Amino acid sequence: EVQLVESGGGLIQPGGSLRLSCAASGFTFSSYWMHWVRQAPGKGLVWVSHINVDGSGTNYADSVRGRFTISRDNAKNTLYLQMNSLRAEDTAVYYCVRDLKTTNWFDSWGQGTLVTVSS
Amino acid sequence: EIVLTQSPATLSLSPGEGATLSCRASQSVSSYLAWYQQKPGQAPRLLIYDASNRATGIPARFSGSGSGTDFTLTISSLEPEDFAVYYCQQRSRWPLTFGGGTKVGIK
Repeated sequence: EVQLVESGGGLIQPGGSLRLSCAASGFTFSSYWMHWVRQAPGKGLVWVSHINVDGSGTNYADSVRGRFTISRDNAKNTLYLQMNSLRAEDTAVYYCVRDLKTTNWFDSWGQGTLVTVSS
Repeated sequence: EIVLTQSPATLSLSPGEGATLSCRASQSVSSYLAWYQQKPGQAPRLLIYDASNRATGIPARFSGSGSGTDFTLTISSLEPEDFAVYYCQQRSRWPLTFGGGTKVGIK
């Protein structure tokens, strides 16, 4: 069974940094593209970032480019999102998402971790 | 950025009725459109990809159609567990984008 378990969320002040982690199990992590998708409270889904199988290729939403960095450790079956210069508008549940075999469709989702940016 | 507009924003229906949800793209996305279902407090679930392909384990009452800029998700006969929010998503161009969602509520 595919499992994606996010951690690292919490309350952080504007301008601060946070690193999210996603522990993957139940599949060959190193064979799959991965993504982060976020959802502000009561709002819709917003794609944040993508990474290819070996980490050599990444993509970002304009709203986070230059502030967020996606990475992965295939030996540890773990996906990361380093978030710097956080803003109030970054407040959201962040989902770790598996790609449906290099398609940019999202076929498995974690339960999410809440990031709250507030003073 | 490709903007996806979903309509209606809210749909009030009874179990057993059919539902038709629309997603319109600001430019052609070919057949590169997916649909997701999200229930309160849960992560989204992939229903349909490439406009009309059901994802693994998705019941046949869910079907997708369309190409170019206009797409439809049809639920043939609503079951109690189908009342949820539905999102469309395109993968034609970066950045990947979602529609604003359609809430299917119980009348």
